[in-house]
Amino acid sequence: ETGVTQSPTHLIKTRGQQVTLRCSSQSGHNTVSWYQQALGQGPQFIFQYYREEENGRGNFPPRFSGLQFPNYSSELNVNALELDDSALYLCASKGGGHQETQYFGPGTRLLVL
Amino acid sequence: QKEVEQDPGPLSVPEGAIVSLNCTYSNSAFQYFMWYRQYSRKGPELLMYTYSSGNKEDGRFTAQVDKSSKYISLFIRDSQPSDSATYLCAMIISGGSQGNLIFGKGTKLSVKP
Repeated sequence: ETGVTQSPTHLIKTRGQQVTLRCSSQSGHNTVSWYQQALGQGPQFIFQYYREEENGRGNFPPRFSGLQFPNYSSELNVNALELDDSALYLCASKGGGHQETQYFGPGTRLLVL
Repeated sequence: QKEVEQDPGPLSVPEGAIVSLNCTYSNSAFQYFMWYRQYSRKGPELLMYTYSSGNKEDGRFTAQVDKSSKYISLFIRDSQPSDSATYLCAMIISGGSQGNLIFGKGTKLSVKP
């Protein structure tokens, strides 16, 4: 167990709806990243938050947005859901300094119908 | 050409075999290299973490990085059925403020009793 938790575990939405996914990072970790993992693919970086500010973003449209809270927990919001958004959404946390290892949560599996 | 290439397999071996998993990459700026293990419908679990070139051993697992060839490997000795999972290589540029991992597609390994 990494200490990173995510909720919910599974979610079914319809096209056009909005969804919010939640993550609690490992104790002492101030950086959280979100990744999308489509079936049969490796995780793809969505964005990263450090001390409540977004400080890096992958190749995802603006309808993917996020928040980080003072306790370092985080949310991923996706608006105007599309069928291709169906995937496993992973949250990863890491501590500060030069430690580059990231610890992943169990993920939220989103199905868009 | 993708930044990180990994043969998706599947790879099937008998219990006790030595397993070799590999990735190649194109970006010479990568300096941190990781191997994650992902069981079905779970989040990735960090197995090995290596900085720059060289070998690192942890129990039955050995990670090798050859930066001159842009090639990394993970060896599993005395493989067990519990090693059956998808193995993801990942790498990151040192000191990057974005801190995003670049993953391979993953290799699905099955160890038969």
